[in-house]
Amino acid sequence: NAGVTQTPKFRVLKTGQSMTLLCAQDMNHEYMYWYRQDPGMGLRLIHYSVGEGTTAKGEVPDGYNVSRLKKQNFLLGLESAAPSQTSVYFCASSYGAGASLLGEQYFGPGTRLTVT
Amino acid sequence: GNSVTQMEGPVTLSEEAFLTINCTYTATGYPSLFWYVQYPGEGLQLLLKATKADDKGSNKGFEATYRKETTSFHLEKGSVQVSDSAVYFCALSDQAGRRALTFGSGTRLQVQP
Repeated sequence: NAGVTQTPKFRVLKTGQSMTLLCAQDMNHEYMYWYRQDPGMGLRLIHYSVGEGTTAKGEVPDGYNVSRLKKQNFLLGLESAAPSQTSVYFCASSYGAGASLLGEQYFGPGTRLTVT
Repeated sequence: GNSVTQMEGPVTLSEEAFLTINCTYTATGYPSLFWYVQYPGEGLQLLLKATKADDKGSNKGFEATYRKETTSFHLEKGSVQVSDSAVYFCALSDQAGRRALTFGSGTRLQVQP
């Protein structure tokens, strides 16, 4: 099993350009998440999905959109990139049921995005 | 809302030294508590967890006890190794609904031989 994979690993964008980050998981997880990691701030939740065809906003959703057309994929889009979106983006997935597994998330390796 | 506060780093130790990384939290209800570890160039991995008060989570020689009275979940290890050098994140989980994690800012640990 590959676990959680992210594409691309690195990207440099100019202000105003658009791009899509792809996350894929092969563990049949119901829940998927996008976080951003900035120095000194830990990880912050951008958007999440509790199942195929559903998405919802997290704490820092402005400037991002997401889609979950297939259970195994979760896409994060930047319509018009801004320098404030320079960050490392992590995708994660988890099981949807089972109190014993609550909070156990599996993370991808991250995408380092620079917006100039 | 939920929040997690952990000690700032970097923490620099010699091999075989004792490690403590402090973590306190603010949350409604009874959250589950976690420590995640991030090795250089990698994503986060679950290190240990505790789901109720007085539970002790342990893994790879690391331990943390869920203290409801002090709202704390401090990470400890009796003898660190160079391979433990990483960034450690304390986190808590929503009990229901989105099941998302709220993270602390992370503490970088550097272990010198």
